[in-house]
Amino acid sequence: GAVVSQHPSWVICKSGTSVKIECRSLDFQATTMFWYRQFPKQSLMLMATSNEGSKATYEQGVEKDKFLINHASLTLSTLTVTSAHPEDSSFYICSAPTGTKGDTIYFGEGSWLTVV
Amino acid sequence: GENVEQHPSTLSVQEGDSAVIKCTYSDSASNYFPWYKQELGKGPQLIIDIRSNVGEKKDQRIAVTLNKTAKHFSLHITETQPEDSAVYFCAASLYGGSQGNLIFGKGTKLSVKP
Repeated sequence: GAVVSQHPSWVICKSGTSVKIECRSLDFQATTMFWYRQFPKQSLMLMATSNEGSKATYEQGVEKDKFLINHASLTLSTLTVTSAHPEDSSFYICSAPTGTKGDTIYFGEGSWLTVV
Repeated sequence: GENVEQHPSTLSVQEGDSAVIKCTYSDSASNYFPWYKQELGKGPQLIIDIRSNVGEKKDQRIAVTLNKTAKHFSLHITETQPEDSAVYFCAASLYGGSQGNLIFGKGTKLSVKP
């Protein structure tokens, strides 16, 4: 079964509004989670590293004010796309490390965002 | 930074045949190499992984080999089945999964024809 869960699976929002995507670790604690973005027929691109209790680390070229990340607990990280535009439409996926050594990375089911 | 190259981009095989996907990485410090299977509209599913202290790992029909000297690793699927059809991604991590993010290859679309 899934060890990392995302919600919602898909969401449609209007331009200019904000939308929040949740990533939860199931039955384990994750001090670190990762957020990826994937365009159709392309690979996954790391957006940011979410750190529990501290600020997220953003990859070069990712606007931190547009993609707000909050990691308020050891099992939940949220990604908020602020003032969404159609070009923000994409598949967003989170991941978290777990496993017997705490170093195997599992992904969530992904969240489809469509901005109209 | 780390760069991962993956080949081929598409692969078509007949059911029952074997499929091989190859990846190379640039940073010799990378020590964790997972493979993911992604079906349309879903998140990547971990199918097998290997660490830098191991040269080969097998799980039923799936095996992964790692050549640290040449900095390449490969996924081998034997006795392919139509349900193996998906996009496969290789990845490399610099610090081990717990502390480092994954750098992905561009993916291989595998089609298994019945």
